Amino acid sequence: NAGVTQTPKFRVLKTGQSMTLLCAQDMNHEYMYWYRQDPGMGLRLIHYSVGEGTTAKGEVPDGYNVSRLKKQNFLLGLESAAPSQTSVYFCASSYYNEQFFGPGTRLTVL
Amino acid sequence: GEDVEQSLFLSVREGDSSVINCTYTDSSSTYLYWYKQEPGAGLQLLTYIFSNMDMKQDQRLTVLLNKKDKHLSLRIADTQTGDSAIYFCAHDSGGGADGLTFGKGTHLIIQP
Repeated sequence: NAGVTQTPKFRVLKTGQSMTLLCAQDMNHEYMYWYRQDPGMGLRLIHYSVGEGTTAKGEVPDGYNVSRLKKQNFLLGLESAAPSQTSVYFCASSYYNEQFFGPGTRLTVL
Repeated sequence: GEDVEQSLFLSVREGDSSVINCTYTDSSSTYLYWYKQEPGAGLQLLTYIFSNMDMKQDQRLTVLLNKKDKHLSLRIADTQTGDSAIYFCAHDSGGGADGLTFGKGTHLIIQP
């Protein structure tokens, strides 16, 4: 089992560009999450999904959109990237109370 | 104040015990967690405790929960250089599905 994987690992964008981050899990988990981690901060929840076809907003959803078309995949989109979105993005999936995290995507917006 | 508070740094000598403390404000939490993050890596779940327990032991790790004071601690016995990392305290919101709330993390520094 690969667990939770994230694509890409690194990305540099210019202000105003768009991109999609992909999260995939092979553990058949219902719940999936996107967090961002900024220096000196804990992780903050962006969006989450409790099942295929459902999404919900977390603590910091502005500027992001998500989709969960397949149970194993959770996509995070930035329509018009801003420097404030420079961060490390972590995806997680869970069954019941244990969340398993991916390795992260380091995004820089210039 | 912050929902979850932790000290930013803790320095201990190799072989000593490390105690990392955390306070939180949400009394509806069902589970409380400790995660470990090594440089450039994702988060690794170390252990968690159900909110109606006051202690959980798992090999070198001991978790203590004082629900009345909303205080959680992680004790690492016989601290080794491989324990050097950032340790995050986190809790759910009682609903189970809607994500975790994290502290800012405690950098554990091991002195030889």
